[in-house]
Amino acid sequence: DGGITQSPKYLFRKEGQNVTLSCEQNLNHDAMYWYRQDPGQGLRLIYYSQIVNDFQKGDIAEGYSVSREKKESFPLTVTSAQKNPTAFYLCASSTGFKNSGANVLTFGAGSRLTVL
Amino acid sequence: DQQVKQNSPSLSVQEGRISILNCDYTNSMFDYFLWYKKYPAEGPTFLISISSIKDKNEDGRFTVFLNKSAKHLSLHIVPSQPGDSAVYFCAASTHRSGRRALTFGSGTRLQVQP
Repeated sequence: DGGITQSPKYLFRKEGQNVTLSCEQNLNHDAMYWYRQDPGQGLRLIYYSQIVNDFQKGDIAEGYSVSREKKESFPLTVTSAQKNPTAFYLCASSTGFKNSGANVLTFGAGSRLTVL
Repeated sequence: DQQVKQNSPSLSVQEGRISILNCDYTNSMFDYFLWYKKYPAEGPTFLISISSIKDKNEDGRFTVFLNKSAKHLSLHIVPSQPGDSAVYFCAASTHRSGRRALTFGSGTRLQVQP
């Protein structure tokens, strides 16, 4: 079955540590995205990538970094510079520019990061 | 600046009745609107979308209405079922900029009472 796999599902981090969240898709989608969800809030865009080896900052990119070396993979690193990293992180993918209609994102199951 | 707003954080309806979830937006460049459903600790799943050139789109029990002049859209679920209990997010995007990522509202928690 095609889909998006995020790992780990739960992650605990001490203050000052960097952590990397994994996101892999086998949908053959060109575009990939990272969103963050906080309690009672909507999804906020961190980074997105339309094609391999290219990515752009979203609305809340400070303290995060990404890479897109392969079409299937879009890992997110939460650095120690991120002031409030405890949140639920969601990775998504879509056909991106190939689709002239609605840009329907397919989401993974999410990773919950807790900073101790 | 919140470009997509869902002003009702929660809604409770009886099973079999209609659920109406509302969404307002401020960016007139949005040309597609989507609704997603989300269960706790899971990723959102796509429900239905509508183009800005339409005013209604229907898929089974789900209908989305768009009022461009009011910058308002709504999702109707008829009849509501207990399994519809979840958080519903409204989202929007535009083709007219390089960024086609979705902008989401804050969500409305729907509770369908048996």
